[in-house]
Amino acid sequence: EVQLVESGGGLIQPGGSLRLSCAASGFTVSGNYMSWVRQAPGKGLEWVSIIYTGGSTYYADSVKGRFTISRDNSKNTLYLQMNSLRAEDTAIYYCARGTYYYHLPNYFDYWGQGTLVTVSS
Amino acid sequence: QSVLTQPPSVSAAPGQKVTISCSGSSSNIGNNYVSWCQQLPGTAPKLLIYDNNKRPSGIPDRFSGSKSGTSATLGITGLQTGDEADYYCGTWDSSLNSWVFGGGTKLTVL
Repeated sequence: EVQLVESGGGLIQPGGSLRLSCAASGFTVSGNYMSWVRQAPGKGLEWVSIIYTGGSTYYADSVKGRFTISRDNSKNTLYLQMNSLRAEDTAIYYCARGTYYYHLPNYFDYWGQGTLVTVSS
Repeated sequence: QSVLTQPPSVSAAPGQKVTISCSGSSSNIGNNYVSWCQQLPGTAPKLLIYDNNKRPSGIPDRFSGSKSGTSATLGITGLQTGDEADYYCGTWDSSLNSWVFGGGTKLTVL
């Protein structure tokens, strides 16, 4: 059974750093496109970042240069390192398993339950 | 402002049919597959439609998807109160090198 379990969220001051984890089971993160998607309170879904099977990474402009996506194949875990956090980064962060078609992301078929990040002083 | 445009809300009575539109451009919907996800209140998103019109296992055939040019549509027939949720379209944007979501549509079953 495919499962994604996020952790690492919490309350952090502006300018601080946080690392989110997404433990996967039932499949290998290295064999799939993996992504982070966030949802600010009362708002819609916002794509954050993706890592391809080959290791290429892409980011939303809103987080480029501040967030880093990575994976640990030995732990079958996806990460999101978040630096220089701002109030507008406050959101539930979901990890999602992606599929691809001709090397481009195609859809997200499994989602975790999310972890809440609150950036506030 | 989302790259993909959806109506903020739609509503219909139980048993009726509703459609939700998703408008984009040639760099996203026009040249890539569209997927739809459903987010029930307080829960994580769930894949509803992929590759424009395919349903994952377990999704009833009351849900359908279509695409024409730079627009896509989600259709739901035989509406049930349990269908009340937010619905999001999404696809890859080849110009932005980003995944893009629509702003979401809140479905109310009156």
